[in-house]
Formats: sequence, structure tokens, C-alpha cells
Amino acid sequence: QLQLQESGPGLVKPSETLSLTCTVSGGSISSSSYYWGWIRQPPGKGLEWIGSIYYSGSTYYNPSLKSRVTISVDTSKNQFSLKLSSVTAADTAVYYCARNIVATQYNWFDPWGQGTLVTVSS
Amino acid sequence: SSELTQDPAVSVALGQTVRITCQGDSLRSYYASWYQQKPGQAPVLVIYGKNNRPSGIPDRFSGSSSGNTASLTITGAQAEDEADYYCNSRDSSGNLVVFGGGTKLTVL
Repeated sequence: QLQLQESGPGLVKPSETLSLTCTVSGGSISSSSYYWGWIRQPPGKGLEWIGSIYYSGSTYYNPSLKSRVTISVDTSKNQFSLKLSSVTAADTAVYYCARNIVATQYNWFDPWGQGTLVTVSS
Repeated sequence: SSELTQDPAVSVALGQTVRITCQGDSLRSYYASWYQQKPGQAPVLVIYGKNNRPSGIPDRFSGSSSGNTASLTITGAQAEDEADYYCNSRDSSGNLVVFGGGTKLTVL
């Protein structure tokens, strides 16, 4: 059974870089069928896709965040990571990682990690 | 703003049928997926593709699509179905991912 687990600091100072890692267990991140994605949810608000990465390193990002986002993959550790630079209070959110299935007419995320709350505050 | 539009809130009487909709131009070309999220929990996929349910999702959940609108139907809503529901698909270019704003379902 595939499981994903987010990890990283729960508190980040304004203007600094948010860094999170997602560890995949029960399956290989190098599977040729899947992308791996990050999604966030500000308190009391809806879901926002941040970006996704293929095991080869190919990425695609939300244009609204693209200038500040880097997603990378480490196949040797079965992990992928998120870096979001120059954070502000507006980046306070629960951050989720999820497997991203992408096909010609389809896109979905399953399963999801439990999520981790990141608060941006001095 | 989201390219997928959902009604903010919908209510249904216990045991009745409810349809939650998601509108967007990209839905003319791409299928929507649907997620259920209960308070304090991660979203759970309930419908993907044309109308597929992951293992463990009750068959009272179904999906459909017509024109620019995708729908999630719950036939015989149960108290445990009370949750937020989000649709997800590609954007109009097909290159990016978008979520709807979410619908809060209340089971009366």
C-alpha cells in the first residue's frame, strides 16, 4: 500500500525559504506511470496545486507560484521535495504531497500524505 | 481565481440524492476527478476518470460529465458523507492542474 509522508519545519520566517520533503513508501517513486505533486490549503480555504514532478526530474508548476517554487526528486531516497522562496504570511497553509496520475484526458491525485501545517511568522 | 467553478454549499436530506457540480471550459476536453475532505483530514479521491471509484469508496458515489460541467452524484446520502468536495482537472491549455473552489455538503 503506497503511503506518503510530509516532513519539514512547521514555522518559517517571512522572506525565508520553506523546505519540505515527501517520503514515499510501499512503492517506487521511479515508476514510469506517475508524477508526484505538491498541493497546499490555507486555513479555512480551498486546495491549490503547487506543482508536480516526474521521476526523471521533469516539472510543471502553477504559474502563480512558478517564480518562487522548486520541486526536486531524489530517487535513491524515494523522496521528492518542495522549496518555496521569499515566503509571506499568505504562504501559511497545510502542505500536502500526493501521487499525481497524468494521462491524455485525465489528472488525479491519489493517495495523499496526511499534510503538514507550515506557518510563516517572525 | 479558479478555472473550475463549484457552488460553495449544498445540502441534502439524509437518504436523498445530491448532485455537486463543477464548471469550466477545460471540462469539455478533460475529465474531472473528485475528492472528499473531512475536517482536519487530507482529501480522499472518490471519483477519477470517466466514472471510476477507488477501492473502498461506496458505490453511492458516481461521476458524470456533459459539456463544460462535471458532476459528482451521491445516491442515498449518509451522515458520514458530510464534508467538503473538490473537483480537479487540467486547465484549458491542458498543461496545468486546477482545483475547484470546493463545495461544502451538509446532510440534514
